[in-house]
Amino acid sequence: QKEVEQNSGPLSVPEGAIASLNCTYSDRGSQSFFWYRQYSGKSPELIMFIYSNGDKEDGRFTAQLNKASQYVSLLIRDSQPSDSATYLCVRNSGYALNFGKGTSLLVTP
Amino acid sequence: EAQVTQNPRYLITVTGKKLTVTCSQNMNHEYMSWYRQDPGLGLRQIYYSMNVEVTDKGDVPEGYKVSRKEKRNFPLILESPSPNQTSLYFCASSSRGATYEQYFGPGTRLTVT
Repeated sequence: QKEVEQNSGPLSVPEGAIASLNCTYSDRGSQSFFWYRQYSGKSPELIMFIYSNGDKEDGRFTAQLNKASQYVSLLIRDSQPSDSATYLCVRNSGYALNFGKGTSLLVTP
Repeated sequence: EAQVTQNPRYLITVTGKKLTVTCSQNMNHEYMSWYRQDPGLGLRQIYYSMNVEVTDKGDVPEGYKVSRKEKRNFPLILESPSPNQTSLYFCASSSRGATYEQYFGPGTRLTVT
């Protein structure tokens, strides 16, 4: 199966808070994951790439991967209104990328 | 500037009138692909190309054609568009193939009436 499941949202958080975006997948053979951000009407842009269990931090973003639980998350610290966008969880199956439908994040001032 | 370009950015057309959406990248990437994005369905791959003269179907290829005669260009052809092909289309390229970071073009919003 190729499913990558995300809650469509919207997830609303106040400015300065931590936004937590979650993604589950059904194929234990998944090798790595990407998180893309997509502003309305714009193209997706890469935020994070993670392939090993544990946490990976890049600035205000932390990606977490738990292969045993088949769970990927993206934490955004000190959320800003400019972070308001749709976040796409993308699974690398080994031969293709499978895109989740995305979670809409709204950061309110 | 490294980029993927698409033309046109917006297109309104009528059922059955052949159209081509162009895609070009200046990063010397071997891998290129086309996606469509629809509300509630996410991004779905239409066709991809591993290299010049090598193309293959993605998840939703029906009603589309592609060609890859040059490394930098990967046009998407709709020979007889239908209203269910109304969508937002993205071209993408990658230096390392299908399972690595994809660089997306700005998108083409197509409406078929």
